[in-house]
Amino acid sequence: QVTLTESGPALVRPTETLTLTCTFSGFSLSTSGMRVSWIRQPPGRALEWLARIGWDDVDFYTRSLRTRLAISKDTSKNQVVLTMTNMDPVDTATYYCARGPTSGDYLFFDYWGQGTLVTVSS
Amino acid sequence: DIQMTQSPSTLSAAVGDRVTITCRASQSISSWLAWYQQKPGRAPQLLIQRASSLESGVPSRFSGSGYGTEFTLTISSLQSDDVATYYCQQYSSYSTFGQGTKVGIK
Repeated sequence: QVTLTESGPALVRPTETLTLTCTFSGFSLSTSGMRVSWIRQPPGRALEWLARIGWDDVDFYTRSLRTRLAISKDTSKNQVVLTMTNMDPVDTATYYCARGPTSGDYLFFDYWGQGTLVTVSS
Repeated sequence: DIQMTQSPSTLSAAVGDRVTITCRASQSISSWLAWYQQKPGRAPQLLIQRASSLESGVPSRFSGSGYGTEFTLTISSLQSDDVATYYCQQYSSYSTFGQGTKVGIK
């Protein structure tokens, strides 16, 4: 059974760095073809894909936020970590981690975590 | 970046009605399109990938079609459990989601 769970601070101050952790089970990021992404959703708005990391350590970012994002993995802990620098109130959103398909290098997502709401406010 | 535009933004239909949602891409994406269902307070659920491939466990009343720049998601007989927001997503070049279509019961 595949599960993903996001964790991190609920409140972040403007200009701070956000660190989110995705802890997963039911698959391994050391298995060829496995990839995990982060996606966010501001309240009442659409989804936005942010970043992806694969079993091969190849990372991939949305162009608009490339300079603020970093994604990494700890295979032994079954975790993927996303950091986002210089947080702003417009970054207030529910942040999801999600798994990519097991076959093929495609950027859609077959399993999602339940999401974690991050509010940016002073 | 490829823009995805969904229509309508909201719709209400009766139980048993046929419902169609349209998604248009700003440039050709071949068949690299997925559809998701998101219920309030829940994570999105993948319904369809590669424009028309139904995911395992998804009811057969859901279907997808299209190629290039125009795509549709059809619910052949709307059920109360289908009340949700539906999103299309292109994965031809990076990834972009549509703005969503909220489906309700009349």
